[in-house]
Amino acid sequence: NAGVMQNPRHLVRRRGQEARLRCSPMKGHSHVYWYRQLPEEGLKFMVYLQKENIIDESGMPKERFSAEFPKEGPSILRIQQVVRGDSAAYFCASSQGDVNQPQHFGDGTRLSIL
Amino acid sequence: EDQVTQSPEALRLQEGESSSLNCSYTVSGLRGLFWYRQDPGKGPEFLFTLYSAGEEKEKERLKATLTKKESFLHITAPKPEDSATYLCAVQSGGGADGLTFGKGTHLIIQP
Repeated sequence: NAGVMQNPRHLVRRRGQEARLRCSPMKGHSHVYWYRQLPEEGLKFMVYLQKENIIDESGMPKERFSAEFPKEGPSILRIQQVVRGDSAAYFCASSQGDVNQPQHFGDGTRLSIL
Repeated sequence: EDQVTQSPEALRLQEGESSSLNCSYTVSGLRGLFWYRQDPGKGPEFLFTLYSAGEEKEKERLKATLTKKESFLHITAPKPEDSATYLCAVQSGGGADGLTFGKGTHLIIQP
């Protein structure tokens, strides 16, 4: 009964490169959420997706960030032209999507920008 | 805008010394209040969901309660393995499905 799987666990990029973070939801879950945790700050919601659809991207920065959840394969959070301020832990969560079902989290990807 | 404030920021207890963590919230229509536990280098682990004022949930040494303005996580006779950061989050009825988190309470239980 695998939980939410995120990879890579650690990712190092130089300024200006692209970062791709992957998330496979729990079996039976069709709803995926991405959060960012900056040092000394709480988890901040970024985007909510269902298969092939972005439902809510109100927490996503307007530029350089994008997310997808294709029909087949994991959800991807993509950050283009990374800057030092993008260094953070990025967490993915999934749920069954029914009303008030809890979100279950993966162990995150720690992104470091050199 | 939904807001969640947790107190204290950090708490150090002796093993067996019971205490409570506080989560105050303002939200436009509460759909659910969630408690999570987070260990260093790990993702949040789901503990409880509370939906309405007066509701209580228990699991081992933990008990969560909810009023219209705040929630408490009571920890009874804690053990060192209960050491972690405890996170509170709300989901509002304003149509947003993303959770709004507090900054957490870092709990240390000393043997």
